[in-house]
Amino acid sequence: SQTIHQWPATLVQPVGSPLSLECTVEGTSNPNLYWYRQAAGRGLQLLFYSVGIGQISSEVPQNLSASRPQDRQFILSSKKLLLSDSGFYLCAWSDSLTEAYFGQGTRLTVV
Amino acid sequence: AQSVAQPEDQVNVAEGNPLTVKCTYSVSGNPYLFWYVQYPNRGLQFLLKYITGDNLVKGSYGFEAEFNKSQTSFHLKKPSALVSDSALYFCAVRDRYNFNKFYFGSGTKLNVKP
Repeated sequence: SQTIHQWPATLVQPVGSPLSLECTVEGTSNPNLYWYRQAAGRGLQLLFYSVGIGQISSEVPQNLSASRPQDRQFILSSKKLLLSDSGFYLCAWSDSLTEAYFGQGTRLTVV
Repeated sequence: AQSVAQPEDQVNVAEGNPLTVKCTYSVSGNPYLFWYVQYPNRGLQFLLKYITGDNLVKGSYGFEAEFNKSQTSFHLKKPSALVSDSALYFCAVRDRYNFNKFYFGSGTKLNVKP
């Protein structure tokens, strides 16, 4: 069966510091991968999606970037965090026919 | 563009009563629709989906949803609510024509009171 791992669960980072959040999927190949941000416990904003290795599409201009160095690995990064980057970050995967499955999320607080 | 709307920020229901959480959609072509539930500080859990076929789809934890093409709605229902159903519920649509992106509604907080 397929599983998705996302870490860390919580992170407190100072303004201006770098960020790296990692997400890996097991039990499937060539998944579609997604990064979402959820602000204030409500709506989900699609940040990035990827349909294959090295293929990244950004939905909104921002201080973040994403990379997919391996088929089942998706990384969210920032060179210098802003206060406004605080939020709950969710990684998800799907194949061409199914629903999306989510990781447990990372609570990022920028101080 | 594909989108879904959840018109209610919050729904309150007494335990044992039926519940409905509303969702309307705007899509081109046949929609792929989903419902998810989120508990505090957790990821989203898949409940059910409509791809094709019967308009009434059944999912996890006793939930079901009714697809209504004429009203462009996909409301989530449960015959008898439990206190443990209290959570945040999201409706979502899959954009099959644009890299299979998923778009989510703004969420509805369900409160089930004992």
